[in-house]
Amino acid sequence: DTAVSQTPKYLVTQMGNDKSIKCEQNLGHDTMYWYKQDSKKFLKIMFSYNNKELIINETVPNRFSPKSPDKAHLNLHINSLELGDSAVYFCASSQDRGGGETQYFGPGTRLLVL
Amino acid sequence: AQSVTQPDIHITVSEGASLELRCNYSYGATPYLFWYVQSPGQGLQLLLKYFSGDTLVQGIKGFEAEFKRSQSSFNLRKPSVHWSDAAEYFCAVGETGFQKLVFGTGTRLLVSP
Repeated sequence: DTAVSQTPKYLVTQMGNDKSIKCEQNLGHDTMYWYKQDSKKFLKIMFSYNNKELIINETVPNRFSPKSPDKAHLNLHINSLELGDSAVYFCASSQDRGGGETQYFGPGTRLLVL
Repeated sequence: AQSVTQPDIHITVSEGASLELRCNYSYGATPYLFWYVQSPGQGLQLLLKYFSGDTLVQGIKGFEAEFKRSQSSFNLRKPSVHWSDAAEYFCAVGETGFQKLVFGTGTRLLVSP
């Protein structure tokens, strides 16, 4: 059983399109995150949600909109895709909020914008 | 703001040899420190973490790390590397009261026969 799952695994699309990435965790965790990994493998947090409430929004363009329908799901919608959005997007979850909590990562969604 | 430095971009180690990956952090208080591993095309898996107490932390797959406050370091070690250890290794710091992890730039480990 996959603890943190993401769909799709690969996403190839044209500039200007709108796309969504879905994330689900079956760990019963209260907190979920989105991270972006760029072409140089650098990982940076984008958003975090705790009990469906947005906690962290790290100066991400407003073309990116996270949505948390319930504690187990955190989706990422991206409008008007740009070339620079090409990256690997990781979803993660943790039991609670707090810097010491272990975060469990999904397998990633590889987004390529052409 | 906290930051993490992994000074080695690539490291090549012979199979069976020992390994040490360096990590230095910048943070005012006692940090929460983590090591994650990313195999090609995969997500990140936690190897070990440090909160407080014993400064030598044991993790999975035979890895350990030592927290040295005086050097602001949290280096990862393994006494004998296996070919399956070839991957990208990330050091990260978590801040008290906040949820985000700040990652280093990663070190790619290559294992030669």
